[in-house]
Order: sequence, then C-alpha cells, then structure tokens
Amino acid sequence: DQQVKQNSPSLSVQEGRISILNCDYTNSMFDYFLWYKKYPAEGPTFLISISSIKDKNEDGRFTVFLNKSAKHLSLHIVPSQPGDSAVYFCAASDNAGNMLTFGGGTRLMVKP
Amino acid sequence: DAGITQSPRHKVTETGTPVTLRCHQTENHRYMYWYRQDPGHGLRLIHYSYGVKDTDKGEVSDGYSVSRSKTEDFLLTLESATSSQTSVYFCAISEGAVPQHFGDGTRLSIL
Repeated sequence: DQQVKQNSPSLSVQEGRISILNCDYTNSMFDYFLWYKKYPAEGPTFLISISSIKDKNEDGRFTVFLNKSAKHLSLHIVPSQPGDSAVYFCAASDNAGNMLTFGGGTRLMVKP
Repeated sequence: DAGITQSPRHKVTETGTPVTLRCHQTENHRYMYWYRQDPGHGLRLIHYSYGVKDTDKGEVSDGYSVSRSKTEDFLLTLESATSSQTSVYFCAISEGAVPQHFGDGTRLSIL
C-alpha cells in the first residue's frame, strides 16, 4: 500500500501559466515533506521542502502548500517555463527522519 | 552539484551473477542511501548507512546487501541477480537526515 501517492502521472501546461502538482499521503506520522525534480538520465534534485508546523513555504517561483487535515500537499510553479519540464516527485519522512517515502512521480510538460 | 559518483553508470549482466554497485562521495556526509526507481513506484529505499560500518534496511532490502568501510564509499551488492532487480539504482547522501542529494544513477539490466 503506497503511503505517498501522486495521482496524476502527467500534466501539460502552457508556458507562463501556473503548474499545480498534487500529492496525498496516508501516514499521520509524516512530518516533513519534500519535492524533487528529475530530468532524464540524471538523479533527482531537491527543490523545496516544508515542515508540518507550516502550511506554506515559498522559494522564488515555487511554493509548497501543506494541508495536514486532508493529508495533502501541492507544489505551485508560477510562471511555468519550458525548462521546468521534468518528472516531479514528492517525498515524506517521519520524525526519525532517515527514510524518505516517495510518490510515483508526475511528468510535467510545459509547452512554449 | 553534490559530489556523488556512481559506478558503473550502465551494466548488463545475467541472472545468477553477483553484481556490485559503488557510490563515492566527496562531501564527507554522514548518511548514505541506496534507492531503486521503477515505473509507477517512484524511488524505494533499499538500505542506508548512518556511519562507517553502520547500516540498516529499507523498504525493499530482500536480495541486497551493503557495506560501508569508509565514509566516502557505500557499496550495494546483489549476491545472485534476478530479473526483478532490473532497475535504475540511485545513491543519495545527506549530512542531516534531510534533504538527501542524489547521484545520477546506475541503469542495471539483468537478462
């Protein structure tokens, strides 16, 4: 049973518009959440994170929102750029911290 | 980029043969991890290390062993490779528990 799920395998967005990637989790012990971006033939690159004591974290064009009651987080990219085209993984860890549980990924395509 | 080198980058081998993948870091980070990536599953943790000679199992450890004799090197061994172990393997490092920084992966095909 997957504890972290990304229900949209792919998303297509026009350049300049907002991209919203979603992630749901089931384990209430998760208290730290991360987003990674992955280009083909490369390893995942850390993008942004959020602790469960916050509901929003912003870094430039990237904002992560956390809704603990719904066990849902989302990544907003505004404005989207063609270079953002990649696979995005959400990941979660509990207070032990060492083990990351990943979602299955969402492939984002930003069209010029 | 975090100083992580995985070798080999690609390998094709036959069922039943032993395989060792190497992860080398130049960051002197305490934690090292091995993940496998399969379609629809994201990345799943195989084993991790929290110091020299200190390792623990992850979610999908069956059929894999690891060793860490030096801070900079973390080896993943498939004692007798099976076709179900065909995957892309990623090494990651971190100083604290998170975030983890990943190498560029090893594509392993077992025929």
